[in-house]
Order: sequence, then C-alpha cells, then structure tokens
Amino acid sequence: SQKIEQNSEALNIQEGKTATLTCNYTNYSPAYLQWYRQDPGRGPVFLLLIRENEKEKRKERLKVTFDTTLKQSLFHITASQPADSATYLCALVFSGGYNKLIFGAGTRLAVHP
Amino acid sequence: GAGVSQSPRYKVAKRGQDVALRCDPISGHVSLFWYQQALGQGPEFLTYFQNEAQLDKSGLPSDRFFAERPEGSVSTLKIQRTQQEDSAVYLCASSPLGETQYFGPGTRLLVL
Repeated sequence: SQKIEQNSEALNIQEGKTATLTCNYTNYSPAYLQWYRQDPGRGPVFLLLIRENEKEKRKERLKVTFDTTLKQSLFHITASQPADSATYLCALVFSGGYNKLIFGAGTRLAVHP
Repeated sequence: GAGVSQSPRYKVAKRGQDVALRCDPISGHVSLFWYQQALGQGPEFLTYFQNEAQLDKSGLPSDRFFAERPEGSVSTLKIQRTQQEDSAVYLCASSPLGETQYFGPGTRLLVL
C-alpha cells in the first residue's frame, strides 16, 4: 500500500532562516501533491499544489519541488517568521481517486525569535 | 464569506452511545469529504460525496459509521455504538469540484 513519510521530529529553526520540510512516498507517483498548514485545534489550510510534470512551484516565501524519480517533495519557507510555526502536511492525490487526499503524518515546525 | 463549519466542536460520549456530527460546506461546493485525524497523525479519508451521491465510502472503518448528504449540501456523519478507538478529530472538507479542499475546524470526539 502507499506510504508517505514526513520528518516525524519537530524542526526547530531560527527566525530569518530557511525551513526545509521533506515528504517521501513509496510505490506509485501521484497525479499531484499538495502542502497544507495546520494549527492546533484547526483544520488544514491549503498552501501549494504541484503536478507530476512540474519541477517547482513558488508562492511568496514558499517554494515546493517535486522529484518523481526520487519520489520526494521538498517544501521551503524562506525568511521564516515565528508566525510560520505550525504543522505542515503533505498530501498526495492519485488520478481516478475523486481528488481524495492521502496525507502524511505532518512535520511540526517551530521558528524561534 | 463563510467557510466550512462543523458542529459540535467537541463531543464527549459514553461507550456504546450513538453520535451525529454535522458539516455545513461552503455554499455551492459540489464535493464533500470526511476525514478522521488521530492525535499526532495526518487526516485519513473516510468518505466522499458529489452532490447527494456518496461515490466512495472505502475509508469508513466499520459498518457502525454512516454518512449522508440528502440534499447535496449539509452532511452528517453518524457513528453508532461508539468505541474508545473512535476517539479522534473528524474533519469535513468541501471543494467546488476542483483540486483545493477547504477544511472545517473539526469535531473532537472523545469516547469514555
């Protein structure tokens, strides 16, 4: 069955640095991959989507890459701020699956002033 | 505009009780999803509706779980004879048949 791995340990970084989060998957490549942010007690919020034929996507301070050979996506937050502290979830969507999301367990990011 | 809302936000049930969780999606959104999120884990797919039709219920963990969306808008997830392992956050998401899903705040269910 499909397995999605995200760094299980929290990532602690200093304000202003770039945070890099990893999402690895096994078996089949998805049609596309999404990144969500989740704050405690709240539902996930969509951030970025990248398709299987795209290598990189950017939105403001966010950048996501997708390597279907390595079966890996990297999510970068540049010039990080304490307000970026949250759990970041990667989610895969496979074609023919009604766009249902298959989530990783998430990585908790803490940005310290 | 209003986002996805869910009620109740918190529910404590005694083992064996039936519970009903409500989801009000964003108006006009065709797709509606239910997910279950255990503590420290990512959400797991339960079921999917396109309008009033339940097209995928492959993620429902047992026949004690039942979902409906009779008029293609509000949806209810019902859990019969709750068990302790049902304790989790239940998330609802809606989408205008596109790729982005908009999540509600979730209902936190605790079964004692």
